[in-house]
Amino acid sequence: NAGVTQTPKFQVLKTGQSMTLQCAQDMNHNSMYWYRQDPGMGLRLIYYSASEGTTDKGEVPNGYNVSRLNKREFSLRLESAAPSQTSVYFCASSEQLSYEQYFGPGTRLTVT
Amino acid sequence: DAKTTQPTSMDCAEGRAANLPCNHSTISGNEYVYWYRQIHSQGPQYIIHGLKNNETNEMASLIITEDRKSSTLILPHATLRDTAVYYCVHNNDMRFGAGTRLTVKP
Repeated sequence: NAGVTQTPKFQVLKTGQSMTLQCAQDMNHNSMYWYRQDPGMGLRLIYYSASEGTTDKGEVPNGYNVSRLNKREFSLRLESAAPSQTSVYFCASSEQLSYEQYFGPGTRLTVT
Repeated sequence: DAKTTQPTSMDCAEGRAANLPCNHSTISGNEYVYWYRQIHSQGPQYIIHGLKNNETNEMASLIITEDRKSSTLILPHATLRDTAVYYCVHNNDMRFGAGTRLTVKP
């Protein structure tokens, strides 16, 4: 039982490049979330998916898109990366929306 | 901005109880208070949650005031491995503030 897994662990992009961050959970959870964490700051919610087939914007959605591929997987896409998107990205899941969340190990993204 | 307010940092001696306060004066009647911690740069870890009664589990205790406007997370016997950033969150808000950086000292 791996919990929440994220790939890749590290990534360096040039400005304007695109990439997709992958997240998968094996806990049969209905809800999934994407957060970003800038140095010395708390986590900010980018997008969330209350259940398979639904996605909603969080606090900072600009510059990102998401896909809830199936119940297990929730991906985050940066279409045209900008230096302001340099951050650590965490994926999380919960049994239902607003229940306790279980987090992945994070993806450290640097945009130069 | 997060709807909760926490001190920026706290110190605690190893073996002593660590009491971490949180103000959540805007919490609504059906919202739970959740506590998480983040050790170094790992993903946050769920600790405990409560609605209005005090709660205890193997990790910590949670004391919620009668008016539900504040709560205190208690780590009864802090160890060096409890050094982390602790966050308190309304469950319907999903916003994590900067949290409290707890340093447990030998």
